[in-house]
Amino acid sequence: AQSVTQPDIHITVSEGASLELRCNYSYGATPYLFWYVQSPGQGLQLLLKYFSGDTLVQGIKGFEAEFKRSQSSFNLRKPSVHWSDAAEYFCAVGASGGYQKVTFGTGTKLQVIP
Amino acid sequence: NAGVTQTPKFRVLKTGQSMTLLCAQDMNHEYMYWYRQDPGMGLRLIHYSVGEGTTAKGEVPDGYNVSRLKKQNFLLGLESAAPSQTSVYFCASSSSNSNQPQHFGDGTRLSIL
Repeated sequence: AQSVTQPDIHITVSEGASLELRCNYSYGATPYLFWYVQSPGQGLQLLLKYFSGDTLVQGIKGFEAEFKRSQSSFNLRKPSVHWSDAAEYFCAVGASGGYQKVTFGTGTKLQVIP
Repeated sequence: NAGVTQTPKFRVLKTGQSMTLLCAQDMNHEYMYWYRQDPGMGLRLIHYSVGEGTTAKGEVPDGYNVSRLKKQNFLLGLESAAPSQTSVYFCASSSSNSNQPQHFGDGTRLSIL
């Protein structure tokens, strides 16, 4: 069965600093990988996705993520964080075939301080 | 373009009461999902549907029922609400291509007293 681990429950960064959110997955084949962001009181918004090809994927709002098969990781990065990036971030892994079975991590809450 | 719309946004119920949450999508998506979100547990799949007239159990289906009579609508029912069902419920939809992401509604915050 597939699974996702986000080891950091809460992260605090200063505005303008760089950001890296960790995500490790478990899946037997090549996974479909997603990062979503959730602002308070809102649903989940897709930041970026990886299916195949270039292992460095670009997303919206200046985010990027790198798929590393050898480390079973798909970490999310941003070079310079803005106060509006404060939110909760979810990594998810999807399986191919059948219905779209997606497993979500438990989320990382990002706090941005001035 | 509304995307995925959930009704209602908030609701308070007493234990034993019943209610139905409505999800509507205007993207002509084949697949629809109901999740619940609880602190520290991420999103857990309750039920899903791969097409009109079909439903299936997800990870945590007990205490819930669903129906998909029309392609654009996916209803989640609680027949006899329990305090353990206090949660935020999210509906999502996706196309039938498994490499396409799910689109989420804004959620329904449900409290069971």
